[in-house]
Amino acid sequence: SQQGEEDPQALSIQEGENATMNCSYKTSINNLQWYRQNSGRGLVHLILIRSNEREKHSGRLRVTLDTSKESSSLLITASRAADTASYFCATFNQGGKLIFGQGTELSVKP
Amino acid sequence: GAGVSQSPRYKVAKRGQDVALRCDPISGHVSLFWYQQALGQGPEFLTYFQNEAQLDKSGLPSDRFFAERPEGSVSTLKIQRTQQEDSAVYLCASSPRVQGYGNQPQHFGDGTRLSIL
Repeated sequence: SQQGEEDPQALSIQEGENATMNCSYKTSINNLQWYRQNSGRGLVHLILIRSNEREKHSGRLRVTLDTSKESSSLLITASRAADTASYFCATFNQGGKLIFGQGTELSVKP
Repeated sequence: GAGVSQSPRYKVAKRGQDVALRCDPISGHVSLFWYQQALGQGPEFLTYFQNEAQLDKSGLPSDRFFAERPEGSVSTLKIQRTQQEDSAVYLCASSPRVQGYGNQPQHFGDGTRLSIL
């Protein structure tokens, strides 16, 4: 069963706006990863944040991690139509597996 | 190409038939994973190989599911006596180092969409 809970399940915004997705989990982690999945395709790794990090940036992506609240957020700034996809958080714990959330379906309208 | 390749992309089978799904990981990648993704859900872990050794098969839903990676490169996921609940997308992923070295991304193929009639 999946351990991650993502919020919202679906998000629709206009091009140029920012998109924020949240992820909560229920176990101690070594790291947390965010992936993107375009319709009918595999997952693409976006960013990894270690358990001792609080914030990380990569281009238009900003990820935060709060281990005390067992939560993470992914911010996509200045969104583009090409950002339309499903976004998943995944936790890597001592069990050695990646556990994925249910995902947020993002729609960016031109 | 240099990515993870899965075949076939689509597979339709009748209930009770056996199916075999193939994964070609990125060359030289030590770790190989299989996931099952139901519609509208995130991927769920099935099994993990380190080279040719299957170190974790805790996610396989039943003994009808079998995976192998005999030479430490190509892997096959076999499902025997398929049931309708086996309908899903089966994703394969690889990463360059052993699983315990957790600070590494996984590289995914585009999956096989399996439909059981």
